[in-house]
Amino acid sequence: EAGVAQSPRYKIIEKRQSVAFWCNPISGHATLYWYQQILGQGPKLLIQFQNNGVVDDSQLPKDRFSAERLKGVDSTLKIQPAKLEDSAVYLCAGRTNTGELFFGEGSRLTVL
Amino acid sequence: LAKTTQPISMDSYEGQEVNITCSHNNIATNDYITWYQQFPSQGPRFIIQGYKTKVTNEVASLFIPADRKSSTLSLPRVSLSDTAVYYCLVGVDYKLSFGAGTTVTVRA
Repeated sequence: EAGVAQSPRYKIIEKRQSVAFWCNPISGHATLYWYQQILGQGPKLLIQFQNNGVVDDSQLPKDRFSAERLKGVDSTLKIQPAKLEDSAVYLCAGRTNTGELFFGEGSRLTVL
Repeated sequence: LAKTTQPISMDSYEGQEVNITCSHNNIATNDYITWYQQFPSQGPRFIIQGYKTKVTNEVASLFIPADRKSSTLSLPRVSLSDTAVYYCLVGVDYKLSFGAGTTVTVRA
């Protein structure tokens, strides 16, 4: 069974530039999450999708972050414009019917 | 959301049993308790989940007292490869929040 695919694995940009991360969860995982993990901290939930609808985006900085899951399968997280404090690993996870989360390896963003 | 508290770090030696206790005083009736393991440069990985009493799988055991205000993850006979960060999560369905986790270091 294929795992959660994320790309790119690494991205370096300058502040005020834009970046996009892509995630393809395991087939059948209707619930998809994006987390932000800053070095030394636990993952922080940014947004949750159920199929192609947003369930919770209360912690998403909407002035610069956006996310979509148009067909209820893969998802894209965008940051525009990026700030230095956005440097982090962006993790995508899908959820099984029993509540188990399957994470990708993450996309590491460095903002200079 | 139920807030969780766990030790920041724990040290152990190979072959020992490691027990990590997580406090969650305001756990709700419908909340499950789930533990994840995270290695550097990887996403968290599911270890075990429980609601009450004891749950055991091939990797760990989870002990939950009757009041459910705490839980203990037990890792039997740890090896060097068990060195990781362990997270306790309390919740149901969505809004699963990770705390800072417990860094477990296993020494030879």
